[in-house]
Order: sequence, then structure tokens, then C-alpha cells
Amino acid sequence: NAGVTQTPKFRVLKTGQSMTLLCAQDMNHEYMYWYRQDPGMGLRLIHYSVGEGTTAKGEVPDGYNVSRLKKQNFLLGLESAAPSQTSVYFCASSYHSAGDLSGANVLTFGAGSRLTVL
Amino acid sequence: RKEVEQDPGPFNVPEGATVAFNCTYSNSASQSFFWYRQDCRKEPKLLMSVYSSGNEDGRFTAQLNRASQYISLLIRDSKLSDSATYLCVVNSGGYQKVTFGTGTKLQVIP
Repeated sequence: NAGVTQTPKFRVLKTGQSMTLLCAQDMNHEYMYWYRQDPGMGLRLIHYSVGEGTTAKGEVPDGYNVSRLKKQNFLLGLESAAPSQTSVYFCASSYHSAGDLSGANVLTFGAGSRLTVL
Repeated sequence: RKEVEQDPGPFNVPEGATVAFNCTYSNSASQSFFWYRQDCRKEPKLLMSVYSSGNEDGRFTAQLNRASQYISLLIRDSKLSDSATYLCVVNSGGYQKVTFGTGTKLQVIP
């Protein structure tokens, strides 16, 4: 049981280049999320998905696009990378929705993707 | 004021010591609370949920104070392996309302 797998783990881009981060989960979770983590800041939600074929904007969506064509995969795209997008990106999934207030909404994270934009 | 605030530390404590962290939140509508642990250059992992009545898991105790809007994490008999950053997570309901604190770094020293 692999959980949440992210690829690639590391990438260096030049300004203006594009790339896609892939997230795959094998837990049959409906809900998937992309976060970025920067020094001195908490994890910030970029985009999320509540099911196959649906995506929505999070707190910091500008400069990113996402797709969820299959339930188990959630892709994060950078169309034209900028130095401000240098960060560690974490994908997460959950069985319960974030709207579940019972305390059951546990997020399972991937190992992270370290992206540097020069 | 930040939605979720934590003392960044680091807290340097000797093995065997008891250490406590607090996390304050600003949204009184917040409904569920968690502590996650993040090792250096790794992903966050759930440590424990925080329930209204408080809850304990081995050496770890989590408490919620709704009146003062903070949650706490107490670690007893600290181990070297407890060295990590502890993230406070607050859910105010809704996908965009899961807010992470910046974390408190704990270093347990021999």
C-alpha cells in the first residue's frame, strides 16, 4: 500500500518553462489537495478536488492549473514558471471531506516535490 | 492577526523532560483540530486529533480551550525521536478552511 506518491521529487526549472507534478493515491480517497510550503509560512492550499472530474481554487491558485481525470490522480501544472513558485509542493488526500467537522478529516500527504525556479 | 499562530521555537529540551506547545486560532467558528508532526524535509503526518474533552495517546496529551481559542500539546518523557516540527491544524469547515500553523520546532537533546 503506497499511500500518496508524488513525482518528481526534485526539479529545477528556468523562468518561463512549464512542468507538471503528478500525484497518485491508492486509498480510493475522493478528496485530493495540492499545497505549497514555504519557510515561515504554513502550508497553503493551491487547488483541491472533491472527486473525479472536479477541481476548485484554493488560497493561492494563481499561476497553477490542475486536472483530475482519474480518481486516483491529481495533476498540478505550472504553465510559465516564476521564481516565486520555488517551493516544496505537497499533495494530500482524504477519505472524508474537509467539511466534515467530526475530526475525521485526516489528510495523508505525499513525500513532497521540491521545485526550484531560476 | 494570523488565523493560526504557533511559537516557532525551537524548544530545546533534555531527554525525559515534559514540554508543552500552544496554538491559538482566531476563528471562533473553528470546529475540529489536529496536531501533525513533520520531520525535517519530510511530509506532515497526523499525530493526533484534538477532542473537546481532551485526549491522550501514550506520552502525548492534546487539549482544547474554546473559551480562550487555543489548543495545546503536551509531551511527557521526551525521546530523541520526538525531535520534529509540530504543526497545529484548525478546520473551520469547508475545503479552504483547513488552516495550518507554521509549526513549532522541538529538539530533544541527550
